Amino acid sequence: DAKTTQPPSMDCAEGRAANLPCNHSTISGNEYVYWYRQIHSQGPQYIIHGLKNNETNEMASLIITEDRKSSTLILPHATLRDTAVYYCIVRLRPDYKLSFGAGTTVTVRA
Amino acid sequence: EAQVTQNPRYLITVTGKKLTVTCSQNMNHEYMSWYRQDPGLGLRQIYYSMNVEVTDKGDVPEGYKVSRKEKRNFPLILESPSPNQTSLYFCASSPRLRGTGELFFGEGSRLTVL
Repeated sequence: DAKTTQPPSMDCAEGRAANLPCNHSTISGNEYVYWYRQIHSQGPQYIIHGLKNNETNEMASLIITEDRKSSTLILPHATLRDTAVYYCIVRLRPDYKLSFGAGTTVTVRA
Repeated sequence: EAQVTQNPRYLITVTGKKLTVTCSQNMNHEYMSWYRQDPGLGLRQIYYSMNVEVTDKGDVPEGYKVSRKEKRNFPLILESPSPNQTSLYFCASSPRLRGTGELFFGEGSRLTVL
């Protein structure tokens, strides 16, 4: 699977949009971009995924650049409960041999 | 309720005493996997299983065994635990070849080996 690079941490103000970048410059044409988050030491939670097009669901939006070398996860109105570690993963589907990197620790402040 | 259930959630044991962490899912998923999480190292895959009787190594399989005799269960076995296996363990499942490929995780099992 392609390697991803994320900033180690970022802060966000409550009620504002949080934009989480992810670099995956070696992504191949059939690899998907997935985002998960982990709140404290709970089991990670799926957020969203995409291949080429931008995606939106009830939790977040995913913006993938045209060359697919980077993407941004957008939490439109961050709340204190969005404080978590966010993981960006690229992988083939249905290849399920995958590991999570260090992720981005997002702290939402009141 | 769709869920992945792990037991025990917390365990303190001693070096060399065999233990099993159970994992069960009620979503009829073909795929199941075990991860360990250590500070600064993120989540690392130990073993995974694409279906009954089909298992394969992840990134850190040493010191662990798994079995997949039934679709719903995927136990993690530590035959002779050592202190370096002290960690937070997660089981996950996913429908194979269908849907989003979304992984559903259990709540975790915190293991301490003295």
